[in-house]
Amino acid sequence: AQTVTQSQPEMSVQEAETVTLSCTYDTSESDYYLFWYKQPPSRQMILVIRQEAYKQQNATENRFSVNFQKAAKSFSLKISDSQLGDAAMYFCAYTAASRLTFGEGTQLTVNP
Amino acid sequence: NAGVMQNPRHLVRRRGQEARLRCSPMKGHSHVYWYRQLPEEGLKFMVYLQKENIIDESGMPKERFSAEFPKEGPSILRIQQVVRGDSAAYFCASSPPGTVVVKNIQYFGAGTRLSVL
Repeated sequence: AQTVTQSQPEMSVQEAETVTLSCTYDTSESDYYLFWYKQPPSRQMILVIRQEAYKQQNATENRFSVNFQKAAKSFSLKISDSQLGDAAMYFCAYTAASRLTFGEGTQLTVNP
Repeated sequence: NAGVMQNPRHLVRRRGQEARLRCSPMKGHSHVYWYRQLPEEGLKFMVYLQKENIIDESGMPKERFSAEFPKEGPSILRIQQVVRGDSAAYFCASSPPGTVVVKNIQYFGAGTRLSVL
């Protein structure tokens, strides 16, 4: 069964600094997709970034980038120049078919 | 272009009542997914539907829960005879039609928070 593990329940970062959120997953599939979703206090799930497993190049979206290590089944999210609006729960997710499998989340606090 | 619309945002039911949660997918989307988020946990898949068809319901509890996505109108998640353990946030997501479902990004609604008294 596919599983997604986020080992950091909470993280904090100073405004304008960089923070990395960790995620590991377990799968026997060779073709799959990985995602990071952000859930602010409003509860809305917002897609931050997506990575296709067959692409070696790490995905980047403005201040957000990933470090995808396929052999190690690791998929970390780096947030550069952190802003107060980045404070939220962050979920790592995986799919090889239709359903998404989510990790338990990392609560990110941004300190001014 | 409206996003995924879920209503109500908050639903309060007493034990034994029925809960009906509605989801209107994004315009042009024909795939709908329902997820449940218990307090302090990640989202868990419940069911995947296309118009008039249930494709994967392996995450749905066997009793009291049902889902539909009719040809016309929103998708409905129905919970009969609710119990306190059903209290959770229920999220709907939609994705566009396509032959390779795994490539399609799922766009989420804001969720319905169900509280069972």
